[in-house]
Amino acid sequence: DAKTTQPNSMESNEEEPVHLPCNHSTISGTDYIHWYRQLPSQGPEYVIHGLTSNVNNRMASMAIAEDRKSSTLILHRATLRDAAVYYCILRDYGGATNKLIFGTGTLLAVQP
Amino acid sequence: GAGVSQTPSNKVTEKGKYVELRCDPISGHTALYWYRQSLGQGPEFLIYFQGTGAADDSGLPNDRFFAVRPEGSVSTLKIQRTERGDSAVYLCASSLGGWETQYFGPGTRLLVL
Repeated sequence: DAKTTQPNSMESNEEEPVHLPCNHSTISGTDYIHWYRQLPSQGPEYVIHGLTSNVNNRMASMAIAEDRKSSTLILHRATLRDAAVYYCILRDYGGATNKLIFGTGTLLAVQP
Repeated sequence: GAGVSQTPSNKVTEKGKYVELRCDPISGHTALYWYRQSLGQGPEFLIYFQGTGAADDSGLPNDRFFAVRPEGSVSTLKIQRTERGDSAVYLCASSLGGWETQYFGPGTRLLVL
């Protein structure tokens, strides 16, 4: 399974944009890039996913590098509620399994 | 609508005992997953059900762990002869189909003394 690399932790100030990086240099052509986040004492929560193009939804945006070897999750205005562990996950829709393979993620701290 | 629910929210047991953890998926979701999360780590896949059958049980660590989903809805994760190393948060997720977005429950925190 393709592996992702994320910084262990990041800090942001409330109401400022946050850019969370993810490296996935061994990504394959059928791997979609997914982001989940886990708030304290809760289960993971889907944030966004994409294949090649930049994507947006009500929660966040994701920018994908042209060579697809890296991506960035963008929170446009961080709030205290966005403090969580953010996981970047590759899902191979051409593969045999649909399980999610989590790394250790990035712990985002948001300061008031 | 109602999300994935898990019971109990916390379970304390003694080494060697048997435990059952329950998951109620979102109504209509055919796929159900169990994950385990140790402190400071990301969730680790255990087993995936499509309907009543286990489509992928490659993550179950050993034969003390077993899961069922007899009617294609509620699932029970069963752990025999618990060990202290089994202490973790056990997470359940469901999805509409096998490749759809997975929705997670709040987890059951298991502590084996």
